[in-house]
Amino acid sequence: GAVVSQHPSWVICKSGTSVKIECRSLDFQATTMFWYRQFPKQSLMLMATSNEGSKATYEQGVEKDKFLINHASLTLSTLTVTSAHPEDSSFYICSATRGGVNEKLFFGSGTQLSVL
Amino acid sequence: GEDVEQSLFLSVREGDSSVINCTYTDSSSTYLYWYKQEPGAGLQLLTYIFSNMDMKQDQRLTVLLNKKDKHLSLRIADTQTGDSAIYFCAESIMDSSYKLIFGSGTRLLVRP
Repeated sequence: GAVVSQHPSWVICKSGTSVKIECRSLDFQATTMFWYRQFPKQSLMLMATSNEGSKATYEQGVEKDKFLINHASLTLSTLTVTSAHPEDSSFYICSATRGGVNEKLFFGSGTQLSVL
Repeated sequence: GEDVEQSLFLSVREGDSSVINCTYTDSSSTYLYWYKQEPGAGLQLLTYIFSNMDMKQDQRLTVLLNKKDKHLSLRIADTQTGDSAIYFCAESIMDSSYKLIFGSGTRLLVRP
């Protein structure tokens, strides 16, 4: 089946630094990738939708200058948390799809971000 | 607006059946999904059902959809300890982004 690889699995960083998370579709071309955030014991919240070659569409309340998303190729999307603060500590998950209403979403294994 | 609700917790004995329920509000949903999340891991797609179906069975999993009541359920037969996880239902919204709206997740605990 289709595989989505997310890296790193976990990262600890100092407050004020930036962190980049990668999401790769390993055996298919992902026209659309999604980024989610999950707080402890809560559901996934969609942060943004990114289509290859165009600017990401952010959900209401998500700061686009803080969470930079790049989808430069059909197999790679990156999420950069800029000037991270402790409140950004969370579990971030990406998903990818070939596109089209009949296509399933495939999820990465997630990245646990801890900001000290 | 779009909203998906689930009960937070379910505890069953090993070997029994588990039924996890979900309600949603958007009548334009096209697909409804069940995902499993084990601790510290990403989501695993368990099964999905198209909105014009009433039931789908896949080995130990049975999905029932009552579109009139906007109610979705997941039945796990012969529940095993390895089934202990958080289960999320999600609906897909038929717009240009095909985004998913997730429920809050139901934590299933299987007792030996």
